[in-house]
Formats: sequence, C-alpha cells, structure tokens
Amino acid sequence: DAGITQSPRYKITETGRQVTLMCHQTWSHSYMFWYRQDLGHGLRLIYYSAAADITDKGEVPDGYVVSRSKTENFPLTLESATRSQTSVYFCASSKQGTLQPQHFGDGTRLSIL
Amino acid sequence: EDQVTQSPEALRLQEGESSSLNCSYTVSGLRGLFWYRQDPGKGPEFLFTLYSAGEEKEKERLKATLTKKESFLHITAPKPEDSATYLCAVHPPGNNNDMRFGAGTRLTVKP
Repeated sequence: DAGITQSPRYKITETGRQVTLMCHQTWSHSYMFWYRQDLGHGLRLIYYSAAADITDKGEVPDGYVVSRSKTENFPLTLESATRSQTSVYFCASSKQGTLQPQHFGDGTRLSIL
Repeated sequence: EDQVTQSPEALRLQEGESSSLNCSYTVSGLRGLFWYRQDPGKGPEFLFTLYSAGEEKEKERLKATLTKKESFLHITAPKPEDSATYLCAVHPPGNNNDMRFGAGTRLTVKP
C-alpha cells in the first residue's frame, strides 16, 4: 500500500537500552522528518533529511541518531534510552521541504521504564 | 524564541454551532502557516497552507485566514465528525526547515 508506515506502533523498553524506530514511505519523497509529541507541547522536530545521506538536526536532537541510506527509509535510534524520551514519535515526509504539506505516519508510542 | 500559541486548548460545541480557533505566532518573516487535523491515535493530516497576510483558504466547513500576527480556523455549522485536535505550524524565515507547531486545540462537537 502507498503511504508512510511506522513500526512498531507500540514499544516498551528499559532505560539504557538501544531502540530503533522504523519509518518507510512509498512516495519517493525527498524530505523525511522525525517528530516527538508530548502532552502540552506541540510536535517538536528531532531530525530531518533532505535526501539520502543528508541529515540535519531539528529542535531536540540530543540522544537520537538517524541515518538515511535509502530514499524510502529513515530510521530513528535512541542509543541509550532515558525516561524523558517516553513519547509518541511521528515520522513524516514531503516532496520538497517544509513549505509543502507533510504526510505523517500514525506514530510509535514509546514507553521507557 | 519563535513561539506558536493556540487557543483555546479545548472547545466543546453543539452540532451546528459555529466558532473559531486561534493560532498566534511571534515568528517574524513567516514563510508559511499550516493547519493540520489530528484524530486520536493517528498522525496529523494536512488541511491548509497560508503564505501571506490576507490570504484565505476553504474546505467544506473549514475556513482558514491569516494576518501578520495570527491565523484563525473558522468552523461553520460543525458536525460530530469534525471532532479532532487541530494543529497549526509555522515555517520560519530563511532555509531553516525547523517547523514550529502549536500544542493544538481539541475540538469536540456534540450531536
């Protein structure tokens, strides 16, 4: 099916563990984004990518790592998870940067105990 | 620091009762303002983009307007299916791709 898919939808892990959230899009959009959404806050940008092998930091990048070896995939890794990283994570894509509408996945709810 | 503030945080309407949601921002040199709709357990869904003061966009019962300091999302004769959280986001000036989102307005429309 065409669209943007995030996996897993739900994840529970422990502090100090490494966890990777996956994002896959079938539109061949150039730009991809990772956001986190916390109660009382708007969506906050973690990292974005303008193309394969090009990534850049957003507002809250600390504790996260991204890579983009293929246009369609943009995984987000928490190298050593902390409780403050408990959140709902959304991946998005757009044809050409943020001046065009972003298409979001349905999110990954991550709990860190 | 650039800020985006949405009000009210929550709004309960009766079916057919029109109202407006507000998004105010402190970004100067705005390149674009976006409205999204988010249903529970889902990602945001794009509604509108506004680029300059005075611009208006409409879609069914929704109409978005933009001034130099704020945007309104007007909902005319809402239906229960309009219940959702409405998010606005601003694109800062220059080539910075760090969009700033407001915390959203949670709209409930009762039949």
